[in-house]
Amino acid sequence: DTGVSQDPRHKITKRGQNVTFRCDPISEHNRLYWYRQTLGQGPEFLTYFQNEAQLEKSRLLSDRFSAERPKGSFSTLEIQRTEQGDSAMYLCASSLSAPPRGPRNEQFFGPGTRLTVL
Amino acid sequence: EDQVTQSPEALRLQEGESSSLNCSYTVSGLRGLFWYRQDPGKGPEFLFTLYSAGEEKEKERLKATLTKKESFLHITAPKPEDSATYLCAVRYGGATNKLIFGTGTLLAVQP
Repeated sequence: DTGVSQDPRHKITKRGQNVTFRCDPISEHNRLYWYRQTLGQGPEFLTYFQNEAQLEKSRLLSDRFSAERPKGSFSTLEIQRTEQGDSAMYLCASSLSAPPRGPRNEQFFGPGTRLTVL
Repeated sequence: EDQVTQSPEALRLQEGESSSLNCSYTVSGLRGLFWYRQDPGKGPEFLFTLYSAGEEKEKERLKATLTKKESFLHITAPKPEDSATYLCAVRYGGATNKLIFGTGTLLAVQP
C-alpha cells in the first residue's frame, strides 16, 4: 500500500499523560499536514511541513502540541498533558508542492488516529 | 469571516434517486475547491479539485461543478455504496496551503 499511513489507529490515555502519533506520507510527497476532526465537524488544520520545515501553525495548536518532521519523511505529533478536550481524530495528509492552481497538489489523507482522553 | 457552508446537513435518498449537495464559500482569492468522501472511522478520500468558475469534473455517478460562490456535487442514480459523508474544502489567499473544510453532508442511500 503506497498511501498515507498513521500509527497507532487508536489511542486511549488518561488525562495528563503525553501521547505521540506518527504519520508516514506518500513517498514522493514533500508536504505533510496535520488536521484534527471532532464528531460532526470537518477537519481543522493544525500545521504543515514542506520537507523538514514547519511552515504554518494554526492558533489551535497550543503550546502542549508539538510536531516534527526531522528528516523530511515521517512526522510525529506529540500532545503533552492531555486534556479531555483533546479527544478527536487526528488526521495526517500529504501532497506535492506543485503549482497551486495546477494538478498534482491535492492532499491525500491517512486513516487517522482516534484519541480518547479519559 | 471567511466561511465554507455545506447543505443539507443530512440527506436520505432512495437508490436511483438523483440529487445534489451544496457547498457555498465566502473566501476571497479562491485557489481551489476540493471534494472528499469520508466513511465512518476513516480518513477523507479525495474526489475532485475545481479551480475556476464553470469548471466541471466527473467520476462514475458523481459530478462536481463550480461557480463564483458555490459548488455542487451531483449524484446521479445513487447506490447504497455511495452512502458516506461528503466534505467540501477550500484553499484560498496568499501563501497558505491549508484547507478550510465545511461540516459535511451525511448521505444515506437506501436500497
